[in-house]
Amino acid sequence: EPEVTQTPSHQVTQMGQEVILRCVPISNHLYFYWYRQILGQKVEFLVSFYNNEISEKSEIFDDQFSVERPDGSNFTLKIRSTKLEDSAMYFCASSTERGPVYGQFFGPGTRLTVL
Amino acid sequence: DAKTTQPNSMESNEEEPVHLPCNHSTISGTDYIHWYRQLPSQGPEYVIHGLTSNVNNRMASLAIAEDRKSSTLILHRATLRDAAVYYCILHYKFYFGSGTKLNVKP
Repeated sequence: EPEVTQTPSHQVTQMGQEVILRCVPISNHLYFYWYRQILGQKVEFLVSFYNNEISEKSEIFDDQFSVERPDGSNFTLKIRSTKLEDSAMYFCASSTERGPVYGQFFGPGTRLTVL
Repeated sequence: DAKTTQPNSMESNEEEPVHLPCNHSTISGTDYIHWYRQLPSQGPEYVIHGLTSNVNNRMASLAIAEDRKSSTLILHRATLRDAAVYYCILHYKFYFGSGTKLNVKP
């Protein structure tokens, strides 16, 4: 069964450093998403991406964040200058279509630890 | 954003049915009802979704009230592997509330 994959599973970085989290969505999916979950808290929407553009973003997704689909398979989340409060699980998701009719399929997540 | 209300936690015995309720009194006519679950240390997992009619798939059933202000996720025979946090979600941006933590006892 096709699945969303994410690398690395755990990333440790120093505050102020740039990190890139990578995701390979399901191959025939067209919409891509990033979420984060701070330990013990809710899953929070960050951004959605379609046709090489951001379609929606939350207040969390400020100028420190960017997303990219550098090739036909990868979808990346970059944090330019990490802060301690960026420590969280980051989940990538993909769906065949946008909107409430279609479910999203999530990856296993990348645990980001900012020291 | 339309919000949902779920009990914080529920408990079930293994191999018994589980009914997980969700209230969504402010649901709009075009809001689909989605259910996801999150097993410990894993990402959310799609379970089922529907609009008006009851839905069945290999994982669960979804019963939707006639006025659509509430729904119930039904796990027909709970297993230990079903212990997770279950989220009822309305908006396509997937606002995840706190969900219901399901504990399954052997």
